[in-house]
Amino acid sequence: EIVMTQSPATLSVSPGERATLSCRASHSVTNNLAWYQQKPGQPPRLLISGASTRATGIPARFSGSGSGTEFTLTISSLQSEDFAVYYCQQYASWPLTFGPGTKVDIK
Amino acid sequence: EVQLLESGGDLVQPGGSLRLSCAASGFTFSNYAMSWVRQAPGEGLEWVSGISGSGYSTHYSDSVKGRLIISRDSSKSTLFLQMNSLRAEDTAVYYCARHSANYQSFDYWGQGTLVTVSS
Repeated sequence: EIVMTQSPATLSVSPGERATLSCRASHSVTNNLAWYQQKPGQPPRLLISGASTRATGIPARFSGSGSGTEFTLTISSLQSEDFAVYYCQQYASWPLTFGPGTKVDIK
Repeated sequence: EVQLLESGGDLVQPGGSLRLSCAASGFTFSNYAMSWVRQAPGEGLEWVSGISGSGYSTHYSDSVKGRLIISRDSSKSTLFLQMNSLRAEDTAVYYCARHSANYQSFDYWGQGTLVTVSS
């Protein structure tokens, strides 16, 4: 099983600032990596697939990078609606696995 | 518009059974692999099971293998999860999710249905 880890667990950021979230895989997943955003009481929403391709309707302030075992989600200028929990997920091999999440909250 | 609507969640005793359903609309159901993903209260996301568009191929996490069975009925555009021998640790919101392409990322999610296993 590929174990996904995320850091930090919590990131406190002021509106308008840049946020950088990290995700690491225990084995290479090449670019088979997705990022999701989840707000309280809602299902997750796909942000990024293929490590760097924004999903339909996702603002350009969200960007993904990385390959192999190291990945980054960057939010260039945080808006009030971006405060949420972010999960990475690998789909390179079974079982599909998620990271534990990074909570982005207001500083 | 793609819609996924789960149902069937309930309070059930340990060792009991439950069947979840996910009614899909707005896309050609048989063209897409589907999965169930769960989230225990206050916890993160855990993939549970996936099924190919044809229904011939299925996959399970080790934590549910032998107890949960995924299936689909393309004539009704519905995904199912038969849950047997339920344990307290199966308590979670269960989401139905569509894979964007063959077993790739999840591009659409339902709102979830709550399963509580408790005596």
